[in-house]
Formats: sequence, C-alpha cells, structure tokens
Amino acid sequence: DTAVSQTPKYLVTQMGNDKSIKCEQNLGHDTMYWYKQDSKKFLKIMFSYNNKELIINETVPNRFSPKSPDKAHLNLHINSLELGDSAVYFCASSHGASGGPSSYEQYFGPGTRLTVT
Amino acid sequence: AQSVTQLGSHVSVSEGALVLLRCNYSSSVPPYLFWYVQYPNQGLQLLLKYTSAATLVKGINGFEAEFKKSETSFHLTKPSAHMSDAAEYFCAVSGASNSGYALNFGKGTSLLVTP
Repeated sequence: DTAVSQTPKYLVTQMGNDKSIKCEQNLGHDTMYWYKQDSKKFLKIMFSYNNKELIINETVPNRFSPKSPDKAHLNLHINSLELGDSAVYFCASSHGASGGPSSYEQYFGPGTRLTVT
Repeated sequence: AQSVTQLGSHVSVSEGALVLLRCNYSSSVPPYLFWYVQYPNQGLQLLLKYTSAATLVKGINGFEAEFKKSETSFHLTKPSAHMSDAAEYFCAVSGASNSGYALNFGKGTSLLVTP
C-alpha cells in the first residue's frame, strides 16, 4: 500500500501551458506539503496545508496554487509554466496539528519530475 | 530562523568503512532534527529523528545520529558502509512555529561507496 502517491511521475510540457500534479495520502495525516527540488537537489518548502489552513511561502510565484478537496488530497496547479519551473516536486504529509514531534515527521511521495520546454 | 548546514556535498567511503555525514543546526528553540535518504529517482525516506528524548538516536539500515547541543550538531554515522548505502542524504530541522510544520533541509550530501 502506497502511503503518499503522486501523479504523474513525469510531466513534460511547453512554456505557457497550465498543468496539475495530484497527491494523495492514506496515512490519516492532517497536514500536507509541497516541496520543490531543484537541479542541485536542494529541497525547499512551497506550501503547507493544515486542516484547511494554507501556509504560503512568500517566495512562491502566484502562478502556483495548491488545492485541497479533503485532508487526504493536495493538488498543485501551475499556470503559465516557465522554464525555471522545471524541477522535481514532492508531496509530503505529517500529523501536523496533532502536536509534538510527529507534527514535523513527514512522509514523502515519489516525486513528479516536471520538464518545461 | 531554523536552518541546517551539511558539511561536504560529496563523501566517498570504501565498502566496510565508517560513514560519517555532518550536519550542524541553527535554531532559536529546541529543534526537532531529521535525516532523510533519497535513492536515485525516488522520494525521501526517513532514516531517523531526534525529538528531545534520547540524544543518541538509532534509525533504519544501521544508521545512527547523536544530538550534541554544545556543538549544535547532529551527525549521521554507520559503522560499516554497504554498496546499497550510496544515495543522497539530507539533514532537516523543524521550521518556525508559523511555517505550518514544514522542514528546512540542508543542501544534501551525496554518499559514494566504492568496492
């Protein structure tokens, strides 16, 4: 059973297009995240979504918008894709607001490699 | 702000040798610290975590780490490297209280294991 799953695994698209990446977790967690891993493998938080409260990273362009239909799903929609958006995007989840150390213990999906041409 | 610094972007060891991957943290509050491993083309897997209980933390695959407050360090070690340990290793620290429980990652250390 996959704990955190993402689709698609690979996404190749042209500049200017709009695309979405889907994420689902079956761990019963109440907090989900999107991270971006750049070509140098540096991981940076983009968004944290906890019990319908969205925490936005101010460095993320507003072309990126997360959408959470329920606690088990957090999708990432990207408008007007640019070359610099090429990266691996990871979804993760944790207990979040349940408190304590487990709030931060995160489980990651396999990643979506986005290539913008 | 909470942050971690991983010393050495690349570490090479011989099979059977000691593995030591360095991580120093900076935090204004008692931190929670984590080590994750990423195998090629895969997601991140939690190796171990420090959550203010025991300072010596044992994880999966024979790895362990020791939290040293005086040195602000959380180095990862393994007594004997296996070829299968070759991967990218990330140290991470709990983010600020208003970060939505996000983790701040170091830049990663690529571990190469030679026969």
